[in-house]
Amino acid sequence: EIVLTQSPGTLSLSPGERATLSCRASQSVSSTYLAWYQQKPGQAPRLVIYGASIRATGIPDRFSGSGSGTDFTLTINRLEPEDFAVYYCQQYDTSPPMYIFGQGTKLEIK
Amino acid sequence: QVQLVQSGTEVKMPGASVRVSCKASGYALINYHMHWVRQAPGQGPEWLGIIKSGGDGTTYAQNFQGRITVTRDTSTSTVYLDLSSLTSEDTAVYYCAREIPSAYWFDPWGQGTLVTVSS
Repeated sequence: EIVLTQSPGTLSLSPGERATLSCRASQSVSSTYLAWYQQKPGQAPRLVIYGASIRATGIPDRFSGSGSGTDFTLTINRLEPEDFAVYYCQQYDTSPPMYIFGQGTKLEIK
Repeated sequence: QVQLVQSGTEVKMPGASVRVSCKASGYALINYHMHWVRQAPGQGPEWLGIIKSGGDGTTYAQNFQGRITVTRDTSTSTVYLDLSSLTSEDTAVYYCAREIPSAYWFDPWGQGTLVTVSS
């Protein structure tokens, strides 16, 4: 079973700065199966990136995803106040078939 | 637009069962997978199971096998989650979430249903 480890647990930055969030898989995974979500307090998760690097509909181009194999990154350039939230990576495992989430990175205002 | 609207807050005694519903609008329910995901307080999401598009059946997370059932009523465009033998560890917000078949990601999500298990 794949385990996704996100780092850092908390990232403190100021608006205008760049955020780099990491998601590491315990074994090599297909980029096709890697997604990122944003969650604000009291709200459901919102899809940000799928297929490791494809922005979901309505997501600003300051968000970008990259990576392959076991290491994936979500980068947010020029942070806006509305970007401060918790971000989760998610992967599909084929054996057994299941969907796995990381434990999250909290992006907070410094 | 595509929307998933879930049923309201539930409070249950340990050992009881709960049913959460998820009504879809803006698309044909039968053509998409629907998942259930839960999130305990302060924790990351946890996948529970999927009802697949068409007649392709269901798959459940191993941790919930035997006490979870996901069903679909196409006449009302509603998907149901039934979870039995509840314990305090089942206290969480439960979400439904749509998947385009073979996409392996979730979009959109329902607004969530808080299920509290307490004596």
